[in-house]
Amino acid sequence: AQSVTQLDSQVPVFEEAPVELRCNYSSSVSVYLFWYVQYPNQGLQLLLKYLSGSTLVESINGFEAEFNKSQTSFHLRKPSVHISDTAEYFCAVSDFGNEKLTFGTGTRLTIIP
Amino acid sequence: NAGVTQTPKFQVLKTGQSMTLQCAQDMNHEYMSWYRQDPGMGLRLIHYSVGAGITDQGEVPNGYNVSRSTTEDFPLRLLSAAPSQTSVYFCASSPRTPLGNEQFFGPGTRLTVL
Repeated sequence: AQSVTQLDSQVPVFEEAPVELRCNYSSSVSVYLFWYVQYPNQGLQLLLKYLSGSTLVESINGFEAEFNKSQTSFHLRKPSVHISDTAEYFCAVSDFGNEKLTFGTGTRLTIIP
Repeated sequence: NAGVTQTPKFQVLKTGQSMTLQCAQDMNHEYMSWYRQDPGMGLRLIHYSVGAGITDQGEVPNGYNVSRSTTEDFPLRLLSAAPSQTSVYFCASSPRTPLGNEQFFGPGTRLTVL
């Protein structure tokens, strides 16, 4: 069975500082990996995804994540955060050919002015 | 396109009452699912459907029923509400393709059971 671990439930970061949100997964088969973002009082939106090919994937708002198969990780990074990045971030995994997503418990990113 | 819509946005029930949470999508997506979101637990899959007439259980199905009579609609029924069902409920949809799909989420329904 799949599982996703997000070790940090809350991450406070100063504005314009870098951030890394950690995600580790376990699965017995090949996987697709996702990061979703939830802004306050909203539903989830896809931030970025890894399906195949280059292990480094980027979003349009400056986030990137790197798939590391040997460490079964998909950490999310941003070199300089903004107040508008305040949100909860969820890592998720699905098996090839299976639409079912398994989510991590989420990391709440708080930006300190 | 409206995307994924959910009604109501908020609901308060008494223990033992029943209700239906509505979910609709206008993107002709075959896959639809219901999640509940609880603090510190992320999103957990309740039920899902891979097409009209086909439904299956997710991780936490007890106390909930679903049906999928059309591609567009996927209602979630609480048969006899319990305080443990106090949560935020999200509906999501995605197309069925061989590649990993983005799931599109509705805005959520915040349910309180007293």
